[in-house]
Amino acid sequence: DTEVTQTPKHLVMGMTNKKSLKCEQHMGHRAMYWYKQKAKKPPELMFVYSYEKLSINESVPSRFSPECPNSSLLNLHLHALQPEDSALYLCASSQALADEQFFGPGTRLTVL
Amino acid sequence: TQLLEQSPQFLSIQEGENLTVYCNSSSVFSSLQWYRQEPGEGPVLLVTVVTGGEVKKLKRLTFQFGDARKDSSLHITAAQPGDTGLYLCAGGYTGNQFYFGTGTSLTVIP
Repeated sequence: DTEVTQTPKHLVMGMTNKKSLKCEQHMGHRAMYWYKQKAKKPPELMFVYSYEKLSINESVPSRFSPECPNSSLLNLHLHALQPEDSALYLCASSQALADEQFFGPGTRLTVL
Repeated sequence: TQLLEQSPQFLSIQEGENLTVYCNSSSVFSSLQWYRQEPGEGPVLLVTVVTGGEVKKLKRLTFQFGDARKDSSLHITAAQPGDTGLYLCAGGYTGNQFYFGTGTSLTVIP
């Protein structure tokens, strides 16, 4: 299995909602990542997990909360988001930090 | 500060033309990747280069890693509409963080 899967594909939420994005990989990769991407811009790194421990947090607002329940799963919990948080959220994994990354298809998030 | 600068930022060409995208940095990377991303989808890995001066070919795409491992280029021969997308270079330092370039948006007109 050489895939990174993400659910849901699309998500529309209000500013008072709580939702979660999910990511899964079965390639045995030990590093997993969350990125935020606006149209025609490069992905912006949000969080990095290495061996299930949070390795990098790029000064992301606390309304985004990552979780790594095990080596195959990565979640991003969302609460009290703002309209400017609307974007494509990408999950990726790699064998180790700074190795080539494999991306999921993304979750298109719209905050109303 | 952007570690990896890509040029051009936008490119619109006719089908059948050739093009080159550049990825430049003042930093030395242990490896460099090129990705292509279509709208609404995740980036797809095209190639990884690790050796200075390395050249890799993928059908009509030719990738080169600079001798000093600070820059790279992607050359597309006889572009097709299916080549349309956002091209991203990315560099990594072993055991450390991974940096994306500024991106090149390519449109190939039939």
